[in-house]
Amino acid sequence: DIQMTQSPASLSASLGETVTIECLASEDIYSNLAWYQQKPGKSPQLLIYYANSLNDGVPSRFSGSGSGTQYSLKINSLQSEDVSIYFCQQNYDSPYTFGAGTKLELK
Amino acid sequence: EVQLVESGGGLVQPGRSMKLSCAASGFTFNNYDMAWVCQAPKKGLEWVATISYDGSSTYYRDSVKGRFTISRDNAKSTLYLQMDSLRSEDTATYYCARLTTVGHWFAYWGQGTLVTVSS
Repeated sequence: DIQMTQSPASLSASLGETVTIECLASEDIYSNLAWYQQKPGKSPQLLIYYANSLNDGVPSRFSGSGSGTQYSLKINSLQSEDVSIYFCQQNYDSPYTFGAGTKLELK
Repeated sequence: EVQLVESGGGLVQPGRSMKLSCAASGFTFNNYDMAWVCQAPKKGLEWVATISYDGSSTYYRDSVKGRFTISRDNAKSTLYLQMDSLRSEDTATYYCARLTTVGHWFAYWGQGTLVTVSS
């Protein structure tokens, strides 16, 4: 199975700050990577797919980048509604696997 | 508006069975592959199974192969997950998800139904 390692596990940032979350795959996944946002008590929502494509309705302050085994999610100008857990996920190979998540809190 | 509503969760003893349902609305159900994803309490997400738009192909993670069966009734716009020989480690919230037609991303999720396996 492809292992997805996210860092950091938790993050505290101030409103308006820029934050970056990293995701490392155990092998090359050729940009077959998505990012999901899970707000407290809610189901996950797709933010970004194919590493850098923004899903419909997702604010442009979210962006994704990366290739090979290393990927990142960047949130510009952090808003209060961005407090969530963020997961990366690969679907290059079955079983599709997720990272353990990064919990983003406000400082 | 796409809606996915899961039901059928609850408390079940180890070794017993449970069947989850997911009622879909707001889109043409038989045009999309569907999946189940689970999340153990305070844990991360784990893909469970996928079924093709017409039900002809199914895929499972190894830990549920031979115990879980994903199926669908396109006439009723409903997805199912039959869970047999349940184990304590199957305890989780189970989400149904609609996949994108290109890329197979989990584009829409239901609110989830909690399955607790305990004696």
